[in-house]
Amino acid sequence: EIVLTQSPGTLSLSPGERATLSCRASQSVSQSVSSSSYLAWYQQKPGQAPRLLIYHASNRATGIPDRFSGSGSGTDFTLTISRLEPEDFAVYYCQQYDLSPWTFGQGTKVEIQ
Amino acid sequence: EVQLLQSGGGLVQPGGSLRLSCAASGFTFSSYAMSWVRQAPGKGLEWISAINYSGSDTYYADSVKGRFTISRDNSKTTLYLQLNSPRAEDTAVYYCATPRGGIYGLFEYWGQGTLVTVSS
Repeated sequence: EIVLTQSPGTLSLSPGERATLSCRASQSVSQSVSSSSYLAWYQQKPGQAPRLLIYHASNRATGIPDRFSGSGSGTDFTLTISRLEPEDFAVYYCQQYDLSPWTFGQGTKVEIQ
Repeated sequence: EVQLLQSGGGLVQPGGSLRLSCAASGFTFSSYAMSWVRQAPGKGLEWISAINYSGSDTYYADSVKGRFTISRDNSKTTLYLQLNSPRAEDTAVYYCATPRGGIYGLFEYWGQGTLVTVSS
């Protein structure tokens, strides 16, 4: 099973600031043939279902604002929120879909400072 | 618009049984795999089961294998999860989810979630 470790556990920031979230995989989740990384990011607000933000490490899902961006390959990945809006304060999960069982990181909470 | 409407959660005794449903609309249900993902109170997300488009292939996490059964009825565009012999540690919000395209493990659309509480 691929283990995903997210850091930090909590990020305290103010609206307008830049958020940088990290996700490290216990083994590579990148496909050598397609050069795609099977790593996604989700946002979850209290009482709501998760929302897909980023897939293939860097592709924004439908309707996701361009202040959200993803990068990385192999075992190290980053989600960046360029300028935090009030609605961005939430918990963020990374997830690998390269190998079953598909696994999630433990989450990073982005809270208002 | 894709919609996944869940039902069937509630209180179940350890060793009992419960069936969750997920009614789908807004897409060609019979063409897509489906999954169940759960979240224990205050915890992270855990994928637990998937089924292919026809229902002929099923997949389970070790934590539920042999106790839970995933199934689907394409004529009713509905996904099911049968929980047999649940344990206290199965207490969680259960979500159904559709994949993005043909990628089973990439979850694009989610149901609203249904809470299952396992307690005597």
